[in-house]
Amino acid sequence: AQKITQTQPGMFVQEKEAVTLDCTYDTSDPSYGLFWYKQPSSGEMIFLIYQGSYDQQNATEGRYSLNFQKARKSANLVISASQLGDSAMYFCAMREVSGSARQLTFGSGTQLTVLP
Amino acid sequence: DVKVTQSSRYLVKRTGEKVFLECVQDMDHENMFWYRQDPGLGLRLIYFSYDVKMKEKGDIPEGYSVSREKKERFSLILESASTNQTSMYLCASSSHGALEEKLFFGSGTQLSVL
Repeated sequence: AQKITQTQPGMFVQEKEAVTLDCTYDTSDPSYGLFWYKQPSSGEMIFLIYQGSYDQQNATEGRYSLNFQKARKSANLVISASQLGDSAMYFCAMREVSGSARQLTFGSGTQLTVLP
Repeated sequence: DVKVTQSSRYLVKRTGEKVFLECVQDMDHENMFWYRQDPGLGLRLIYFSYDVKMKEKGDIPEGYSVSREKKERFSLILESASTNQTSMYLCASSSHGALEEKLFFGSGTQLSVL
């Protein structure tokens, strides 16, 4: 079974509007961490935001927020006031405590295009 | 700033060639990783290393090997390149594995095997 599922291969949003990128995950670990990365066309992976499974509040970083719904096993990324520079591939990832607990497992990504 | 440097941005090789992809990090990180990125599949872990001369298989290690002789350098080796290894290869590093520890990535190497 997929550990990280991103069901939206592509998304479009109008500049200055908000957009939600979906991510669901599958784990039996009680403790885990969830990450979002951005990959512009240049190829570099840019860390955006982190949410721990025991964090009481949803994580926020500037225009990025993570809508964490633990019971639903979802960790959606919300980008407010979209900018043209937000056009990129976005990846959701998870680290589990079990096993070596060092690597991240990534989803298949969502290509976001911001329209002027 | 943390820097993870991959030696080549683009590489073209022939089927059957031995290919070395090099990665160097300058932050004294213990952990280093090689991922492969393919459209529709996201990033998949090939190998990782948590110490010098230590390595562990990831999800798709077949056809690959790795070498970590120095802490800062992690090499991915394709012993006999095949066309199905045409892909983007991303190297990453991280410090000791706290749950919230993020990975730092290099810019990637786009490998084409003809």
